[in-house]
Amino acid sequence: GAVVSQHPSWVICKSGTSVKIECRSLDFQATTMFWYRQFPKQSLMLMATSNEGSKATYEQGVEKDKFLINHASLTLSTLTVTSAHPEDSSFYICSARDSRAANEKLFFGSGTQLSVL
Amino acid sequence: GEDVEQSLFLSVREGDSSVINCTYTDSSSTYLYWYKQEPGAGLQLLTYIFSNMDMKQDQRLTVLLNKKDKHLSLRIADTQTGDSAIYFCAESRYSSASKIIFGSGTRLSIRP
Repeated sequence: GAVVSQHPSWVICKSGTSVKIECRSLDFQATTMFWYRQFPKQSLMLMATSNEGSKATYEQGVEKDKFLINHASLTLSTLTVTSAHPEDSSFYICSARDSRAANEKLFFGSGTQLSVL
Repeated sequence: GEDVEQSLFLSVREGDSSVINCTYTDSSSTYLYWYKQEPGAGLQLLTYIFSNMDMKQDQRLTVLLNKKDKHLSLRIADTQTGDSAIYFCAESRYSSASKIIFGSGTRLSIRP
């Protein structure tokens, strides 16, 4: 089946630094990728929709200058958490849809646990 | 509005069947999904059902959809310890560019 690779799996950083998370579709092309955030014992919250070659679409309440998304190719989207603070600590998950598939299946990365000290 | 609801916990005995229930409010939902999340991991798509179907079976998994009541269920036959995880129900609509709305997840625990 389709594979989405997310890297890194976990990262610890100091407050004020920036962290980049990569999401790659390994065996399919994805014109659209999604970034989610998950707090402990809660569901996934959609942060933004990443569109290849154009600006990301952010959900209400998500700061686009804080969470920079770049989707430069059909297989790679990156999320950069800028000037991270402890409240940004969370589990971030990306997902991608096969552009050629007729159905709506999404494939998810394994997630990135971000801890900001 | 968009809302997907699930009970938070379910405990079953090993070898029994598990039934996880989900209700949703959006009548224009096109696809309904069940995802499994193990600790510290991403989501794994278990199965999905198109809204014009009422049942789908895949090995130990059976999905039942009651579109009239907007009720979805996942039955896991012969539940094993490896089935311990959080199970998320989700729905999507064509009209919203594949945005998927998730329920809060049901934590399934298996007792010996």
